[in-house]
This record gives sequence, C-alpha cells and structure tokens, in this order.
Amino acid sequence: EVQLVQSGAEVKKPGESLKISCQGSGYSLPSYWIGWVRQMPGKGLEWMGTIYPGDSDTRYSPSFQGQVTISVDESFSTAFLQWRSLKASDTAMYYCAGTRAGEVLPFDIWGQGTMVTVSS
Amino acid sequence: QSVLTQPPSASGTPGQSVTISCSGSSSNIGSNTVHWYQQLPGTAPKLLIDSNNRRPSGVPDRFSGSKSGISASLAISGLQSEDESDYYCAAWDDSLNAYVFGTGTKVTVL
Repeated sequence: EVQLVQSGAEVKKPGESLKISCQGSGYSLPSYWIGWVRQMPGKGLEWMGTIYPGDSDTRYSPSFQGQVTISVDESFSTAFLQWRSLKASDTAMYYCAGTRAGEVLPFDIWGQGTMVTVSS
Repeated sequence: QSVLTQPPSASGTPGQSVTISCSGSSSNIGSNTVHWYQQLPGTAPKLLIDSNNRRPSGVPDRFSGSKSGISASLAISGLQSEDESDYYCAAWDDSLNAYVFGTGTKVTVL
C-alpha cells in the first residue's frame, strides 16, 4: 500500500525547536512533490510550502516564509518540517501530502498527520 | 483569512442532492484548476475532485465538480450518511503565489 508515514505527536514549550518527518512507504519521494499543510484546532487547511525531493526545489507560502524550514534528507527518502523557535500559535495538526508523478498539484496522497502542541 | 469562500454548512437527507459553492477571483479559480478535498472527522484530507471535474480512482460518481468563471461547485447526489464530512475547495493563486484552500463546508446528513 502506498502511503506517507509521519512522525508521532509532539509536546513542546515556547521557544523550543522541532523537526517533524514524513517518510514514503511504497512511495518514492524523489519522484513527487511533497507539501506541508497546517490545520489549527477547529480550523481549516493552510498550505505551508512544497518541496521536490529530487532536487530540493522548495516553494513557501508567503504566510509561512521565514517561519518554518522544509527540507529532505540526503537519501531523499524523508521530508521534514522544522521550527527554530516554537510559539503557542504553532499548536496544530500538520499533514504532509504528496502529488502524482510529474505534477506539482494537487495532493493525491496524505500522511496521517502529526499533532504539535506548544504550551508552557 | 482564505481567499476562497465557501458556505460554512450544508445539509440534506439521505438520497437528496447537495451542492457546495466555492467563490474566488481571477487570480485563482479564474485562471487555475480547482481541486476538492474531503476530510472525514478525525482523519486526513482526501482528494475528491481534480482538475475542476475529474474524479480520482475510487471516488464514487455521486461526487461531481464544475467551474464557471471565478466560481466552482461540488455536487453530491444520492447523499449517504458516510458523506457527512468537511469539504474544501483549493486552487493555486497567481497573485499570492500560494496554494489556497477554501474556508470549508461542513456537510450534515439529517
């Protein structure tokens, strides 16, 4: 079964750093664009940015540019979403999502989500 | 706030039809394809409609999408209890240089 598998839930304090991951299972990341989508509690979906693992070409939403870093590992098998200094307002569910081969959009396959809770 | 506007809620009884609107502008719906996602309670979103009106494999033909000008619609015919979900439209926005989602519509099956 083709799927994206995300890392587990995180509980952090304001000011701490965090890196969450998204790994393909039966899905070769280098061949697809991988995006990150935020969903704050009880709210809608927000696109944060997208990376092409094959060459690390990364595009950020203006709303999230400079706030997070999207990257892939050296083997191009895992994508990451990273914060240097978390805020309480970063509390949300974060989904990674992948496209079909050769397409930037839409998101055809989704990870199960990683819940990030930031609280003092 | 989102640049794609949807009604917050819609409802119908089993077997009825429901239509959800998505209103945008010339920089998003007016110049790019529209996608629709279904998010069942407590789960990740799922692609429901691609390229305005194309159903990915496995999506029942009860779901159909359309687009006209700067608006799009998702129609659900023969409403079933399992269709109770949140639905989001989405499109690339050339002005914002961003993929924008609609405000979301919660469909309730009465």
